Amino acid sequence: LAKTTQPPSMEAYEGQEVNVSCSHTNIATSEYIYWYRQVPHQGPQFIIQGYKDYVVNEVASLFISADRKLSTLSLPWVSLRDAAVYYCIVTDRYGGSGNKLIFGTGTLLSVKP
Amino acid sequence: EAAVTQSPRSKVAVTGGKVTLSCHQTNNHDYMYWYRQDTGHGLRLIHYSYVADSTEKGDIPDGYKASRPSQENFSLILELASLSQTAVYFCASSDGGLDYTFGSGTRLLVI
Repeated sequence: LAKTTQPPSMEAYEGQEVNVSCSHTNIATSEYIYWYRQVPHQGPQFIIQGYKDYVVNEVASLFISADRKLSTLSLPWVSLRDAAVYYCIVTDRYGGSGNKLIFGTGTLLSVKP
Repeated sequence: EAAVTQSPRSKVAVTGGKVTLSCHQTNNHDYMYWYRQDTGHGLRLIHYSYVADSTEKGDIPDGYKASRPSQENFSLILELASLSQTAVYFCASSDGGLDYTFGSGTRLLVI
């Protein structure tokens, strides 16, 4: 049973704000939410992490619902360089046994000029 | 600048041959990982290591060996390459947290 559910794809125009949702209905109290993105021909890149409420950094913001079953990654003013696959990962702070990240299939974001 | 460097960037190997993929990190991280990615899919963990001279099996270790001779270096070894091992391989490092630093990948084609 998948731990997270994301839309398989999204489209946006340059300059728009993009919100990528992630459902994690069975999230445990010990688990955190991590977001990565992967542009073509590159490895994934860490974006942001959170446990509850709202987190923001220089790249993105992350909103987590009060019951922690839904999170939304918000990308302000997307550009063509933001076209990538976005992965939502839910795991223990130290990845459970062995400090491991488990990737799903993510959300492919396409950006149009 | 701290980084994870993989070599080679791409490789063509013959079925049954031995392949070694190398990874070098300058992050001073204890943890290192090898993942594979098949076209259109997410990454799957093959092997990882949290200290030199020790490796652990990930989720799909069959057909692969790993070697961590030093903190900086982590190799993935395919003793008998098979067609099914055609994929892109990514190495990553971390300090114990889950904000990994990934390399740019090695594209392996087994023919």
